[in-house]
Amino acid sequence: DTGVSQDPRHKITKRGQNVTFRCDPISEHNRLYWYRQTLGQGPEFLTYFQNEAQLEKSRLLSDRFSAERPKGSFSTLEIQRTEQGDSAMYLCASSLTGRRAQGSGNTIYFGEGSWLTVV
Amino acid sequence: AQKVTQAQTEISVVEKEDVTLDCVYETRDTTYYLFWYKQPPSGELVFLIRRNSFDEQNEISGRYSWNFQKSTSSFNFTITASQVVDSAVYFCALNSGGSNYKLTFGKGTLLTVNP
Repeated sequence: DTGVSQDPRHKITKRGQNVTFRCDPISEHNRLYWYRQTLGQGPEFLTYFQNEAQLEKSRLLSDRFSAERPKGSFSTLEIQRTEQGDSAMYLCASSLTGRRAQGSGNTIYFGEGSWLTVV
Repeated sequence: AQKVTQAQTEISVVEKEDVTLDCVYETRDTTYYLFWYKQPPSGELVFLIRRNSFDEQNEISGRYSWNFQKSTSSFNFTITASQVVDSAVYFCALNSGGSNYKLTFGKGTLLTVNP
């Protein structure tokens, strides 16, 4: 396991359905992030976890979105009652902070993303 | 507020040409980090470089080089002798000390290298 992995890579769903994405960060990384990227734009921050604690949520994260990281390892991002505007790529990332990070601190590594299409 | 501007939306070059991707940033923090990421068609954001605000030394890694100038708030990226495999969207991003948990990205520059 050398990188951030996400599943599924692609998801097509009907409007109103719920979807869940999973992210496995780089082993021992204590921070985990979710970003959203739409066509022609750079990724936008959604939320992040320090170990199992969710420390910040962007205003982009409506109440239909919920993210968890129950044991401080993998994370899930659930979208309830999907809307067409939710169609985007959802990127997960991780980083190592604190003493163990040394020179690599603040470097955020991304996964391949999960493409969501709501029809 | 933080902001990253990549004024070049698309660039097209012929293989072996040199190309420079521009990045201008805004932040009020004195401690910050700048990044470049490459996003090929597969979608993964590939980390290329991180530079902190106290280190203005330019860096070279193979065909890649970066020019960081605090005086103009710029962090430009040059690819020398471009190759078709360099074709991708390149993002510049900023992470400042006050909110070191998140990156602010520019809109990206689509680089196409033609054979």
